[in-house]
Order: sequence, then structure tokens, then C-alpha cells
Amino acid sequence: DIQMTQSPSSLSASVGDRVTITCRASQSISSYLNWYQQKPGKAPKLLIYAASSLQSGVPSRFSGSGSGTDFTLTVSSLQPEDFATYYCQQSYNTPFTFGQGTRLEIK
Amino acid sequence: QVHLQESGPGLVKPSQTLSLTCSVSGGSISSGDYYWSWIRQHPGEGLEWIGYVYYRGSAFYNPSLQTPVTISIDTSRNQFSLSLSSVTAADTAVYYCARTFQLQRRGTGGWDYFFDYWGQGALVTVSS
Repeated sequence: DIQMTQSPSSLSASVGDRVTITCRASQSISSYLNWYQQKPGKAPKLLIYAASSLQSGVPSRFSGSGSGTDFTLTVSSLQPEDFATYYCQQSYNTPFTFGQGTRLEIK
Repeated sequence: QVHLQESGPGLVKPSQTLSLTCSVSGGSISSGDYYWSWIRQHPGEGLEWIGYVYYRGSAFYNPSLQTPVTISIDTSRNQFSLSLSSVTAADTAVYYCARTFQLQRRGTGGWDYFFDYWGQGALVTVSS
């Protein structure tokens, strides 16, 4: 199975900050990488697919980049509703696997 | 708007079978553009993909799961189901059903798979 490792595991930031979350794959996955946001007690929500494509309805302050083994999710200016846990997921092959999550907290 | 809803028992005894159903509304489960997945989340932990089923009935499962799994589909009811047999306490989790969009890339012909619609989740506790 392809292992996905996110860093940091948790992050404190303030409204208006620019933040970046990193995801590393245990082997090259081209750009078959998706990002999700999960709030407590809720299902995950798709933000980015194919490494850099913004899902319909997702604010443009979210962006993704990377290919091969290293990927980033960037939030250009944090809003109060962005404090949540973020997961990356590879779809290069099955079984699909997720990173362990990055918890974004208010400073 | 596509909506998914999980249903089933919230408590299952060890060694018994966990069964959940996902009802899909707002779209046809028979579309060839999608697979239909089950994903679980152990309390306070990350996400684990269990497997998916296609509308024609073919299914693929995560071989890392310790518990025997079956995912089936009923196109007449616009539903798909999950069955985990001989469960243990380690199968206690929130179970999500999710639509899995398969998108072919231009040029390379490769396929992206991503979970674009999710159910709200169903907490299943395995305990005697």
C-alpha cells in the first residue's frame, strides 16, 4: 500500500494567515492526489482533486500543488470557518489511502 | 443535489455481522461515471477506505482489512450495502458511504478517483 504522510500533524494559526500543509507519498503518485476538509462530527468535504483542481463551490483561497511524491495544500488567507482537520488521499492505485490528518487550530 | 444516507444498527455484538445500507437520492446509482465506496474512521483517528462497488456489481476491497468484507449494490432501490462479518471491537468506527467520481484525464487517459459526496456517517459500536 502507498503510505501518505502529512506534516505538520497540527498547526496553530490566526485569521488572515497564509498556511501550507504538506503531504508526502511513499512512492511516486504523479498528480493523483486529493485534499479533504473535515470538521468535528461531520463528513469530510472534497476541496482539491488531481493535486491542483479546485472542486466546484470551494473558495479560491484554497489551492493545491505538487506531483510525484510531494504535495502542498495552501490556504491564502485563513477564515474562521477554515479551522478543521485536513486529509490528503492518493488515488494512484488501490487501496486508496489517506494521510493521518493535519489539525488546524486557532492561535 | 446528490444526497447519501447511511442506515443500520448502531450496536453489533462481537463475532456477528455488521450491515449498513447507503441510500442515494438526487442521482442514479447506475451511472457509469461513479463507483460507490465505504470509508470508516475509528474514534479520534484518520480515514480508512474499505472498498467500492460499481453499478454492474463488481467490487474491490482493501486487502489490509482484517475483517471479511462484502459490498453489494441494488440499482432498483438506488442503494448499496456493506457487510463486515465476524466483527471485533477494532471494527468500532464511524462508517461513511461516499460517491467516488472517476474522471478520465485528457491526454494521458489516466483516471482520477475522488470522493465528492459523502453521507453524514453512522457510528457503529461493537460490544457485547
